Amino acid sequence: NAGVTQTPKFRILKIGQSMTLQCTQDMNHNYMYWYRQDPGMGLKLIYYSVGAGITDKGEVPNGYNVSRSTTEDFPLRLELAAPSQTSVYFCASSYLSDRVIFGQGTRLTVV
Amino acid sequence: AQRVTQPEKLLSVFKGAPVELKCNYSYSGSPELFWYVQYSRQRLQLLLRHISRESIKGFTADLNKGETSFHLKKPFAQEEDSAMYYCALIPSNTGKLIFGQGTTLQVKP
Repeated sequence: NAGVTQTPKFRILKIGQSMTLQCTQDMNHNYMYWYRQDPGMGLKLIYYSVGAGITDKGEVPNGYNVSRSTTEDFPLRLELAAPSQTSVYFCASSYLSDRVIFGQGTRLTVV
Repeated sequence: AQRVTQPEKLLSVFKGAPVELKCNYSYSGSPELFWYVQYSRQRLQLLLRHISRESIKGFTADLNKGETSFHLKKPFAQEEDSAMYYCALIPSNTGKLIFGQGTTLQVKP
């Protein structure tokens, strides 16, 4: 049972570049989340989804986009990378509001 | 807007001392509240949820709706409790899981 898998684990981007952080889960969870974790700031919710075809903004959605075409996948898109988007990104999933399972994180640096 | 506040960034105690990690929330409805923990080099994981009213690894948390608090307590801290602790909230029936800033618990020998 793989749980929540994020790729890549590390990435360095140049300002203005774009990229997609991949997230997939094999637990048939309906809820999925994207967070960013900055030192001393805790986890900030970027976007979340309560099911395939449904996405909602979280606390800090600006500069990001998501899609949820399948139950398993919830990719996060950065269109024009900025230094302020340097962070550790976590994907997570759960069945309703039960125990949330987290991925291992993606460390992104924008230079 | 919904918010979770953990006023302490760092809490340092000696082994065997009582521990209380504070969590306050702002939400006018009936929230679901959680404590998550992140041990060094491990993924964030659920510690406990208020609905279950359970004790996990000696930790308990009581929801106080009057004070809008959900403090995490343990009577006797152990060195292995050293970790980052996050309080989290889901506004009723939304699926929108919001975290506080986190508190680092350091248990000294």
